[in-house]
Amino acid sequence: DQQVKQNSPSLSVQEGRISILNCDYTNSMFDYFLWYKKYPAEGPTFLISISSIKDKNEDGRFTVFLNKSAKHLSLHIVPSQPGDSAVYFCAARGSKRQNFVFGPGTRLSVLP
Amino acid sequence: KAGVTQTPRYLIKTRGQQVTLSCSPISGHRSVSWYQQTPGQGLQFLFEYFSETQRNKGNFPGRFSGRQFSNSRSEMNVSTLELGDSALYLCASSPDTNTGELFFGEGSRLTVL
Repeated sequence: DQQVKQNSPSLSVQEGRISILNCDYTNSMFDYFLWYKKYPAEGPTFLISISSIKDKNEDGRFTVFLNKSAKHLSLHIVPSQPGDSAVYFCAARGSKRQNFVFGPGTRLSVLP
Repeated sequence: KAGVTQTPRYLIKTRGQQVTLSCSPISGHRSVSWYQQTPGQGLQFLFEYFSETQRNKGNFPGRFSGRQFSNSRSEMNVSTLELGDSALYLCASSPDTNTGELFFGEGSRLTVL
């Protein structure tokens, strides 16, 4: 039973447009969320986080939105660049004593 | 600061053999987690070690084990390898704060023939 879901295995976006990656979770105890980006043959790199006390966090071109009632979060990338083409994972956990649970990932392709 | 270092980067084993993977965390990080990545499955949590003690464990069979040393370096071992164990094994270290994200190594790519 997947506690963190990313229902879109892939997404293609034109360069300069907005990319929206979605993530849903089932465990209401999750209160801290991360997004990672992964290129082939490299480990995942941290992008942005959000705590359940917020509904939005912004860092440059990346913004994460959290809707606790819907148990849904999304990552917005504006404007999208070809270098953003990668697999994006969302992750969630409850207390800091618990492990992060990752979603299956969404492959983003930004077309020039 | 040096990042998380994993060795070996690539290895090939045959069914029934065993393998040991090593991970050196970022200096000062006391938490080390291991994940298995297979196509379509995302990152599956194996276990986490903190101060030489296993703090969390995922749903993997007992063939998968690990340990952490006093310098926070960690190893994971897989015994009696199966074809389905072919995967990228990722190690991540964390400063273990309330908002501590995971810092990943580049992974060890295991192929079981």
